[in-house]
Amino acid sequence: GENVGLHLPTLSVQEGDNSIINCAYSNSASDYFIWYKQESGKGPQFIIDIRSNMDKRQGQRVTVLLNKTVKHLSLQIAATQPGDSAVYFCAEEGAGGTSYGKLTFGQGTILTVHP
Amino acid sequence: DTGVSQDPRHKITKRGQNVTFRCDPISEHNRLYWYRQTLGQGPEFLTYFQNEAQLEKSRLLSDRFSAERPKGSFSTLEIQRTEQGDSAMYLCASSLAGSRTQFFGPGTRLTVL
Repeated sequence: GENVGLHLPTLSVQEGDNSIINCAYSNSASDYFIWYKQESGKGPQFIIDIRSNMDKRQGQRVTVLLNKTVKHLSLQIAATQPGDSAVYFCAEEGAGGTSYGKLTFGQGTILTVHP
Repeated sequence: DTGVSQDPRHKITKRGQNVTFRCDPISEHNRLYWYRQTLGQGPEFLTYFQNEAQLEKSRLLSDRFSAERPKGSFSTLEIQRTEQGDSAMYLCASSLAGSRTQFFGPGTRLTVL
């Protein structure tokens, strides 16, 4: 992944802690949101997604929260493990027209989990 | 491995040369997407196909770039007369009809000298 780290926000946690990664999105017309994990040298890996008609969705050890009022998305990772260390990207997609099928990615956050 | 595959994984070329990348989507995924990712940034959308039809192209896709998906299965992305600014990771993703979840391949890292 592209985690040079010079300009990306970083989050450092201890193994076993819970992690919260935040994302502000730009388009109020976006109706689909998705979180990806990207490890060094690999493509983005799907974690969890949520549609705009929901404000919370849970997966295995992960929860995504969506606040449309302030255009904010968060990813919570429970009991963070060293294998969770990676760059995390949020992405949004519009409801239709020229936005459909086109993911717009956020800046990315580097998560480092210390054993 | 039934995920998205891309070939080659790495490509080093000299400025002015043409390069072509291939993407094989997940079987039965009818949508295929190309993105470009530069160091420290998130992926940026380039273009996408539904079956063999190219439905959307970003303004990032200059006339030196062309993408095809002739039989609605694999896709190729060609860059003509490469420039140093083309150096990036080129990512391919695919999705199933009716689903908006895009699954990414490992990418092709292009270095233009």
